[in-house]
Amino acid sequence: DTAVSQTPKYLVTQMGNDKSIKCEQNLGHDTMYWYKQDSKKFLKIMFSYNNKELIINETVPNRFSPKSPDKAHLNLHINSLELGDSAVYFCASSPFMGGSPLHFGNGTRLTVT
Amino acid sequence: AQTVTQSQPEMSVQEAETVTLSCTYDTSENNYYLFWYKQPPSRQMILVIRQEAYKQQNATENRFSVNFQKAAKSFSLKISDSQLGDTAMYFCAFEVSGYALNFGKGTSLLVTP
Repeated sequence: DTAVSQTPKYLVTQMGNDKSIKCEQNLGHDTMYWYKQDSKKFLKIMFSYNNKELIINETVPNRFSPKSPDKAHLNLHINSLELGDSAVYFCASSPFMGGSPLHFGNGTRLTVT
Repeated sequence: AQTVTQSQPEMSVQEAETVTLSCTYDTSENNYYLFWYKQPPSRQMILVIRQEAYKQQNATENRFSVNFQKAAKSFSLKISDSQLGDTAMYFCAFEVSGYALNFGKGTSLLVTP
């Protein structure tokens, strides 16, 4: 009964490849997010969707493209992977934006070699 | 721009003792929300406590409590009767409605026997 599940848990790939990370939530939440946690553990928002619509798009390279087929899913596709993309990527959801706690997935550790 | 500062990169406390983690933030907003999340070695992000800025009463969750000083823009977390399972990275976070959760850089807490 995982609330926010993301796959895969680990992803190792070479520079230049294209990869996707999938995220699904079964909480009935309207809002979903992608966060990036770098090697120093700093968490930074990348994208936020509310009811399948893009709400927040931080200064993320356009090689990163989120896709929300429905409000329970928010996938992240990354083109032309670079070494600097190595990080842990967290998906999260919340009932709404503005004060409701985020429910996080367990993260995907992406390693680009 | 809202910023969140955690000035203690690492802290250590003995089991059963009390420890306080500091957090300050900067904002011109009057209504906002503050959170503490913990991230144990398992990498999972777990909500510890939540505070609404318009509430003067400090939030409490079992052994976890906050000291919210709105005028000083300070939001410290007190952990009483520390347990080995409290060993984790602790993140202070700030949110204004319509914007995503903004995290501090974290404090690594080690609880020793």
